[in-house]
Amino acid sequence: GAVVSQHPSRVICKSGTSVKIECRSLDFQATTMFWYRQFPKKSLMLMATSNEGSKATYEQGVEKDKFLINHASLTLSTLTVTSAHPEDSSFYICSARDPITSVGYTFGSGTRLTVV
Amino acid sequence: AQSVSQHNHHVILSEAASLELGCNYSYGGTVNLFWYVQYPGQHLQLLLKYFSGDPLVKGIKGFEAEFIKSKFSFNLRKPSVQWSDTAEYFCAVTPTGAAGNKLTFGGGTRVLVKP
Repeated sequence: GAVVSQHPSRVICKSGTSVKIECRSLDFQATTMFWYRQFPKKSLMLMATSNEGSKATYEQGVEKDKFLINHASLTLSTLTVTSAHPEDSSFYICSARDPITSVGYTFGSGTRLTVV
Repeated sequence: AQSVSQHNHHVILSEAASLELGCNYSYGGTVNLFWYVQYPGQHLQLLLKYFSGDPLVKGIKGFEAEFIKSKFSFNLRKPSVQWSDTAEYFCAVTPTGAAGNKLTFGGGTRVLVKP
């Protein structure tokens, strides 16, 4: 089936630095990708919808200058956490529409970000 | 906007017991419904989905769910659980049609199966 590859799986960074997370669709094109954040013992919260060739659509309460999303190609979307702080530590997950069903979704394996 | 509610936050049961996890959604139109599972340390995996047709949906690993439109529910069931079913389970919904891009998750239910 359709696979979404997310990298890195874990990253530790210092406060004030920026971290880039990549999300790639393997063997299929994804014009739209989604970025979620999962807090410990909590559900997934949609942060933004990444649109190939155009600006991302952010959910209410998500700082677009803090979480920069770039979707420069049909197979790659990136999320950059800028000037990271400890409260940004979380599990970030990307997903794409399943190209086979065109209605379902396939998820990346997630990135555990720890800001120290 | 749609919303999803999962009634149980934590469920503890013994092997061979039956499992039923509640899920209710709120949305004025037609929806697609999903159950995802997240095993410890792993990513989300699709258990089953409902798009249309037979409201009783069978998924992987012996799970099934029933869509009851009148109750806005999509409860997940498994007749006999195993220790390996220990995981967190998420119900999710998205509107059908062009507006159906956003997948909204319930709060999740953490299931612990004791051997």
